[in-house]
This record gives sequence, C-alpha cells and structure tokens, in this order.
Amino acid sequence: DSGVTQTPKHLITATGQRVTLRCSPRSGDLSVYWYQQSLDQGLQFLIQYYNGEERAKGNILERFSAQQFPDLHSELNLSSLELGDSALYFCASSVANWDEKLFFGSGTQLSVL
Amino acid sequence: DAKTTQPTSMDCAEGRAANLPCNHSTISGNEYVYWYRQIHSQGPQYIIHGLKNNETNEMASLIITEDRKSSTLILPHATLRDTAVYYCIVRVQPLMYSGGGADGLTFGKGTHLIIQP
Repeated sequence: DSGVTQTPKHLITATGQRVTLRCSPRSGDLSVYWYQQSLDQGLQFLIQYYNGEERAKGNILERFSAQQFPDLHSELNLSSLELGDSALYFCASSVANWDEKLFFGSGTQLSVL
Repeated sequence: DAKTTQPTSMDCAEGRAANLPCNHSTISGNEYVYWYRQIHSQGPQYIIHGLKNNETNEMASLIITEDRKSSTLILPHATLRDTAVYYCIVRVQPLMYSGGGADGLTFGKGTHLIIQP
C-alpha cells in the first residue's frame, strides 16, 4: 500500500459527460501528480500541483482540469468525454516540489461508452 | 531528459538474479537514473535511483557504468511477484532545477520481465 488513495476505482460513463476523480496523497506529501495510461500511449504525465499551486503541465487536454485543495487532496475533472479518454488515471504524490520519488495510487479505471 | 533504450521483454527463472539493462548514452552529468516498475494494472512503484555510484536497497541493486552511458538493475533473487514492466528513466538532478515544477517523469515502454517458475 503506497498510502495514496484514489476514488473511485472504476467509473463508467457516456460520451459528452463530465466526471471527477479524487486523490488523497500520502500524509505529509505536498506534491500531487496526475498521469493517464492508455494502451496505445503508455503512461503520460498530465499535471502537477505543489501545496495548492499548479507547478507543471504535461499533455493535458483543455477539456481536463485539476486542482489541489487546502487539505492537499486533489481532483481531476474530465469534461466533454470522448471514447478516447477511456484509460487508467493514476495519481501520485511526493514530499517535495520535485518528483524524485513518487508514490502512486492504484488508479481509477475510466470507461467512456 | 536523456533518452533511454530497454529491451522489450526478458525472461528469468525464479530464484535467479534478474539483470535488466538500460542504455542512456546521451545522459548528462547532472542526470540521475531512476527505476520504477509496474505490476499489471497497478500504479508504478519506485525501486531505486542513482547518479554515478552503485546503489543498493532492500529491493534491488543499481549498477551504473563508469562512463554512465548504461546501467543495470539487479533483482538478486527473483520471485513470481517480480513479474512486471520495469521502467528506466533518466532525469535531471532535482536540486539543480529552478523555477517551477518538473515536466513529470517520462515513462517509456519499459522492459516486460517475466519470472518463470
């Protein structure tokens, strides 16, 4: 158990809908990272937050957004969902504002039908 | 970040040492070598990292060649639970990076290690 909690574990929705994925980092970790893993693209970095502020952006679509709250949990919002958004979404956390050693959650499997 | 090259897949007998190679010939002086693994559909798990000296922890050993152009991850006594995709990642030294956050670790395709009973 990495100490990173992601909910829900599975999510099934329809195209055009909006969903929110939630992540609670390990106790004491200030950085949260979101990754997307699909069969054809592998693990892709989406975005990083550190202590409530956005610090780095990867290949995140404009339809996707995230935030980190004062209690350090984070949410990834995916809107206007398309079939191609079906993937495993991982959250990771680390102590510092750098991903030297990331601890990953078990992921949310999103299926868009 | 420097590019890495790993074999697509490898087999190893249970109980033997598994040696996973990684080529990073364009690595620069301030870049670390990191290893993560991902057991099927689980989140990636950090294994070990190093700069130029060999490193060992409870999970594995990391051997980096003197010219730093390649490295080997060693799992000393592989078990069936070590079957996973192993990712070798090269990344700039954290303390030397200024400004905002990182671009995030870049995971390539990795090596699918299969431990045979």
